[in-house]
Amino acid sequence: GESVGLHLPTLSVQEGDNSIINCAYSNSASDYFIWYKQESGKGPQFIIDIRSNMDKRQGQRVTVLLNKTVKHLSLQIAATQPGDSAVYFCAEKAGTALIFGKGTTLSVSS
Amino acid sequence: DGGITQSPKYLFRKEGQNVTLSCEQNLNHDAMYWYRQDPGQGLRLIYYSQIVNDFQKGDIAEGYSVSREKKESFPLTVTSAQKNPTAFYLCASKVAGGGYNEQFFGPGTRLTVL
Repeated sequence: GESVGLHLPTLSVQEGDNSIINCAYSNSASDYFIWYKQESGKGPQFIIDIRSNMDKRQGQRVTVLLNKTVKHLSLQIAATQPGDSAVYFCAEKAGTALIFGKGTTLSVSS
Repeated sequence: DGGITQSPKYLFRKEGQNVTLSCEQNLNHDAMYWYRQDPGQGLRLIYYSQIVNDFQKGDIAEGYSVSREKKESFPLTVTSAQKNPTAFYLCASKVAGGGYNEQFFGPGTRLTVL
């Protein structure tokens, strides 16, 4: 079946660095994508979304880039802080259901 | 204080026992969802309900059952037929027809079957 995956299971950065978390998707019909943040023992929180008719969207300290040619999605976090430490995963919407990726654990050291 | 709650946070059961996980929301959302999360894996949809007294199977419904007798509540029963029930279970809700950017997740219940 179709799947959404992340390139790296873990990412370690220093406080203040910019972080880039990647996601590859395989369903070219997907028209909507979401990035979630999940802290340990908690439910996922919505971070930012993007529709397939866009290639970039910015939020507060976060930017999502969509490259439909290579079916690639990335989340950029500017000036990463210790509070950004969490699991980040992407999800794609193909039809009515969301398909979730496996997640990248971001560790931020001071 | 609006939100979505799940109880208990941790649940232990013996193999062969049925167990029911609670999910309650006071957001007036029509749609509710149950997901299962395993270590290093993405969320997988178990069941969802778009309206009271109606629900649909997700990708991994076998061994699970749900009910939707009230708009606020969507309990999930993990039956003895579920072969690998130990997992983190997440409930979510949103306005029917609303976008997934408005889907809220509960804090989850970690079920361990001994």
